[in-house]
Amino acid sequence: GDSVTQMEGPVTLSEEAFLTINCTYTATGYPSLFWYVQYPGEGLQLLLKATKADDKGSNKGFEATYRKETTSFHLEKGSVQVSDSAVYFCALMSGDSGNTPLVFGKGTRLSVIA
Amino acid sequence: DVKVTQSSRYLVKRTGEKVFLECVQDMDHENMFWYRQDPGLGLRLIYFSYDVKMKEKGDIPEGYSVSREKKERFSLILESASTNQTSMYLCAIQTLYQETQYFGPGTRLLVL
Repeated sequence: GDSVTQMEGPVTLSEEAFLTINCTYTATGYPSLFWYVQYPGEGLQLLLKATKADDKGSNKGFEATYRKETTSFHLEKGSVQVSDSAVYFCALMSGDSGNTPLVFGKGTRLSVIA
Repeated sequence: DVKVTQSSRYLVKRTGEKVFLECVQDMDHENMFWYRQDPGLGLRLIYFSYDVKMKEKGDIPEGYSVSREKKERFSLILESASTNQTSMYLCAIQTLYQETQYFGPGTRLLVL
């Protein structure tokens, strides 16, 4: 079945450091790929997405590029802030209808210290 | 803005109790989902529903049931709560044929 593997945390960075959170997937066909973020005490919210190969999703300074050849969707940010401290989930949705459940990775906790 | 409301933020129950977790949306979204979130395991899908009175099992349905009598409300039921059901429960909604899911704030359930 479909699956998502993301790097285990926790990840601790100093403010203004460069962030990469790795995500690889296994899926049949051409899934859509997502990054969700969960701030402390809250539910998940969509951070960015990409629906086809070579697409780049971006939001709030975060970026991720859909790489079909390496089945990856790594999350990057050039300069993290304390307010970026959260849990980040990589996810995929397979099928053509957009009407199938998301498959999530296990999440990566990021802590940014001033 | 899409709003997903979960009936409680924190809940403490005894083993063997029947527990109802409610999720309510304020828009006309067809698809609704229940997940549980546990450290090191991420989010796991319990049940989902594509329409009123319809339900589909997710990856871990054992020990749970659901009810969707109205489009805006999707209930998760623990018929006889057990300590291994202590978890964070997240509800999500999705418009038919749209890919983005919107999540509620979660209910942290403790079963003693």
